[in-house]
Amino acid sequence: DSGVTQTPKHLITATGQRVTLRCSPRSGDLSVYWYQQSLDQGLQFLIQYYNGEERAKGNILERFSAQQFPDLHSELNLSSLELGDSALYFCASSGGGGSNQPQHFGDGTRLSIL
Amino acid sequence: KNQVEQSPQSLIILEGKNCTLQCNYTVSPFSNLRWYKQDTGRGPVSLTIMTFSENTKSNGRYTATLDADTKQSSLHITASQLSDSASYICVVSAQYNFNKFYFGSGTKLNVKP
Repeated sequence: DSGVTQTPKHLITATGQRVTLRCSPRSGDLSVYWYQQSLDQGLQFLIQYYNGEERAKGNILERFSAQQFPDLHSELNLSSLELGDSALYFCASSGGGGSNQPQHFGDGTRLSIL
Repeated sequence: KNQVEQSPQSLIILEGKNCTLQCNYTVSPFSNLRWYKQDTGRGPVSLTIMTFSENTKSNGRYTATLDADTKQSSLHITASQLSDSASYICVVSAQYNFNKFYFGSGTKLNVKP
């Protein structure tokens, strides 16, 4: 058990809708990372937050946004959903903001767009 | 262009045998290289993290090597077990004034009894 909790585990919705994915990091971890894993593109880094502030941005679409709250949990908001957004979304956490910190992954939210 | 390439794409070995997975990268400026193990339907689990100055790092039966000059890394698995069946993903981090992560497409390892 990594200590990172993601909810929900599965989400099924339709095109054009909006969803929110939630992540609770390991106790004491200040950084949260979001990743997308699809069958055709593998794992892709979306965004990192450190202690409530955005730290780094990867291949995150403009239709997607994230935030980290004062209690350090994070949410990833996906809007105007398209079929291609169907994927596994992982959250990871680490103690600090540096790139040499080990990251601990949750088991993901599987998003299916119908 | 920053890229991470892994080989082979898939590998089948018999239980108890050793194997080596490869990772070549063009990411610059290099910060660190990680190997992850990902079981089907689960999140990746970190095996090793290596910075520029580290050549070898071990985690139990897993040993990673890094040659920063040739931009190559390998992950060697010794005395494989059925539980080693998983995807192994190489991730290279670039250090600008922020971190950026580049993922290989993974090697799918199947250990057969």
